[in-house]
Amino acid sequence: RKEVEQDPGPFNVPEGATVAFNCTYSNSASQSFFWYRQDCRKEPKLLMSVYSSGNEDGRFTAQLNRASQYISLLIRDSKLSDSATYLCAVSDSSASKIIFGSGTRLSIRP
Amino acid sequence: DAGVIQSPRHEVTEMGQEVTLRCKPISGHDYLFWYRQTMMRGLELLIYFNNNVPIDDSGMPEDRFSAKMPNASFSTLKIQPSEPRDSAVYFCASSSRDRQEKLFFGSGTQLSVL
Repeated sequence: RKEVEQDPGPFNVPEGATVAFNCTYSNSASQSFFWYRQDCRKEPKLLMSVYSSGNEDGRFTAQLNRASQYISLLIRDSKLSDSATYLCAVSDSSASKIIFGSGTRLSIRP
Repeated sequence: DAGVIQSPRHEVTEMGQEVTLRCKPISGHDYLFWYRQTMMRGLELLIYFNNNVPIDDSGMPEDRFSAKMPNASFSTLKIQPSEPRDSAVYFCASSSRDRQEKLFFGSGTQLSVL
């Protein structure tokens, strides 16, 4: 079993829709959680960290469920520019080693 | 701030040749990571350093791969001999102790082994 797993998608949704993806992790001692965004042929960039209490940044909401060992990302009022691959990342118990999921591809259509 | 700098951007080589990838982390960052990305396996952590010392190399595929960090501003990932299955995008990333979670990635090296 992979340490961090994501549905690869693709998710193809119309502009303005709400879309959500989950990511599961296997190490119950994991300390930190993140969502990264990767555009085609580009490097990953941090979208947001995920805190235990859940956090929001504009149209983006991230949540952590430690009991079930998953994190989620919700995008509201999706824009064409949201089309990208979304990678979840999880650190180990030392908070130093960061492991990525394979990514979920999102495509927003007009 | 120049960001993480990787070279070369693209490398095409023949099977059996030695390949050296280079990375200059962001000044002041004390963590450096090497990742490999393929369609089949996603973004895999190969090795990471803290203060120039390798901390975890459990992701290094085999003895053909080696990584060094002789000083705080430079790291190399070497593959010798290279094989077609090594073809991938190799990313270097750095972060600081205070904000470990925010990885800054370089633009990557697209490696093709023929």
